[in-house]
This record gives sequence, structure tokens and C-alpha cells, in this order.
Amino acid sequence: RKEVEQDPGPFNVPEGATVAFNCTYSNSASQSFFWYRQDCRKEPKLLMSVYSSGNEDGRFTAQLNRASQYISLLIRDSKLSDSATYLCVVNKDSWGKLQFGAGTQVVVTP
Amino acid sequence: DTGVSQNPRHKITKRGQNVTFRCDPISEHNRLYWYRQTLGQGPEFLTYFQNEAQLEKSRLLSDRFSAERPKGSFSTLEIQRTEQGDSAMYLCASSSDRGKANEKLFFGSGTQLSVL
Repeated sequence: RKEVEQDPGPFNVPEGATVAFNCTYSNSASQSFFWYRQDCRKEPKLLMSVYSSGNEDGRFTAQLNRASQYISLLIRDSKLSDSATYLCVVNKDSWGKLQFGAGTQVVVTP
Repeated sequence: DTGVSQNPRHKITKRGQNVTFRCDPISEHNRLYWYRQTLGQGPEFLTYFQNEAQLEKSRLLSDRFSAERPKGSFSTLEIQRTEQGDSAMYLCASSSDRGKANEKLFFGSGTQLSVL
């Protein structure tokens, strides 16, 4: 079983709609959680950290459920520029040895 | 440009040849990481440096792979006797070691290796 599992998608989303997806992680000792965004043939870039209390950054909302060991990302009012692969990332140590999921592809259509 | 820089961007080589990649991290970052990414997968951790010290290596890093960071600044990743299975994007990342910032990695654009 992979340490971080994601639905690969693609999630086809009309422009302006809301899309949400989850990832699950297997190590209950995991300490930190992130969403990274990766455009085609580009490097991953940090989108946002995920906190237990849930956090919001503009149109993006991230939630963490430690009891069920899953993380979610919700994108409101989707833009064409939101089309990308979203990588769920978990850190079980106190430094940057991050465990990446395989990514969820989101395609926003006009 | 003060981001993470990787060279070359692309490398095509024949099986059995040696290749070397270079990474220049963000100047004030003392932590440097190498990851490998294949098509349809997320990046996989290879190794990690704190300044010049290599502190951890993944079991993915066979004895054909060696990484160095001699002066605690740039790093090189060498693959000897390349195999077709080594074909992947090799990503370098750096981070600060201050508090929670050590978990926020900044990636370079990667080196795409194709072994023929």
C-alpha cells in the first residue's frame, strides 16, 4: 500500500464551478501536510499547508481529518488557470523528507 | 533569478554511460534534497543534505548513484552505468532550516534524463 493515495482523476470541472478531492495517508505519526500544485512538465510548487483546524487561502480550502487520516482540497469558482495536477504531501519527520501522492489531475473547461 | 537552478534541463544518454547533474539551491537555504519523478507518479525522495553533510539516503539510491555537496552550496548527482529504468525527471529542492520553514521545499525545474 502506498503511503499517500490519491484519486488520479481527471476531474473535469466547468469554469466557475467547485471541485473537491481527497487523499488518504497511511502513517498515523505523520506530522505535517501540504498540497503542492504541478503544471505539466513543470516543477511542483507549494500551494498551501494543511492545518487541523482547516485553512483557507482565497478560493482554496484545505481540511485535515487525523482520525480518518485524510486530507481534502476544495477549489471554489474554478478558473482555467487552476488546471493542473494537485499533489497531496505528507511529512512524518521534522524536516523535508516529504511523501508525495501520485497527484489528482484537474481540468477546468470553458 | 534567485530560485533553485538545475542543469542540464535535458540529458539523453546511452545505456551504460555515466551522467552528472548539478543543482544550485536558493542561496540562504542550507538544506538540499534530490527527488526523482516518473510519469504519472509523484516525486520520490532520494537523498538529503544539511549543509555539506548527507544525512539520509533512500533505498532507491543504489550504489550506482552518488550525490555530493562539497562546500554546502551546490550539489551534484551522478549516475554511473545508466540503465533504462533510470529514465526520469530528477528534481532538486532546497529549504531553510528555520522552524517550520524546513518543510517548505522550493523545487528546481528538474533534469529530464532519457536513457536509450
